[in-house]
Amino acid sequence: EAQVTQNPRYLITVTGKKLTVTCSQNMNHEYMSWYRQDPGLGLRQIYYSMNVEVTDKGDVPEGYKVSRKEKRNFPLILESPSPNQTSLYFCASSLVGGQGGGSPLHFGNGTRLTVT
Amino acid sequence: AQSVTQPDIHITVSEGASLELRCNYSYGATPYLFWYVQSPGQGLQLLLKYFSGDTLVQGIKGFEAEFKRSQSSFNLRKPSVHWSDAAEYFCAVGYTGGGNKLTFGTGTQLKVEL
Repeated sequence: EAQVTQNPRYLITVTGKKLTVTCSQNMNHEYMSWYRQDPGLGLRQIYYSMNVEVTDKGDVPEGYKVSRKEKRNFPLILESPSPNQTSLYFCASSLVGGQGGGSPLHFGNGTRLTVT
Repeated sequence: AQSVTQPDIHITVSEGASLELRCNYSYGATPYLFWYVQSPGQGLQLLLKYFSGDTLVQGIKGFEAEFKRSQSSFNLRKPSVHWSDAAEYFCAVGYTGGGNKLTFGTGTQLKVEL
């Protein structure tokens, strides 16, 4: 089954304790991205990757890191989490090319992070 | 920069009634437009998309949307709502040369009364 898998689904941590949220897709998609979802703000892009070893900042990258060492994986790293990073996080993937950006995103089921 | 506005935060309709969710975008060239649905505890599922051509597009679950360039709108419609349609709906826009980035609206929460 084609899917984007995120882990964990729920995570509670304390300020400053480094954490990683994993994301893996089995569709051979070049493009992967992380979004955070906050009430009243919709989804905002954190980082994205057009292919292996190619990553770039989205709209709200502060406090986050990513890496893309393999095509299928795109982990999100919070080196020193703070309470304002409490949010619902989504990983997404899609093909690159075709209509130059019109490929729909496939989303994971989300990771709810609470930082106390 | 492109932006998306969903003016209705919450909408309540009765089961069997028709539905229209509004979406307006701001972008100079022809955008790529999407509607996604998010059920509680789930990720976002693609309902339909518009790239070019026919301005009325059909999607899954009986939804359709119409692209109106003159109004910069891409409203989502369904003739008869089912209780299982209760969810949050997001409109999103992408554009040529924007990579695969989508800009999302803030969402519309749909409640269905039985």
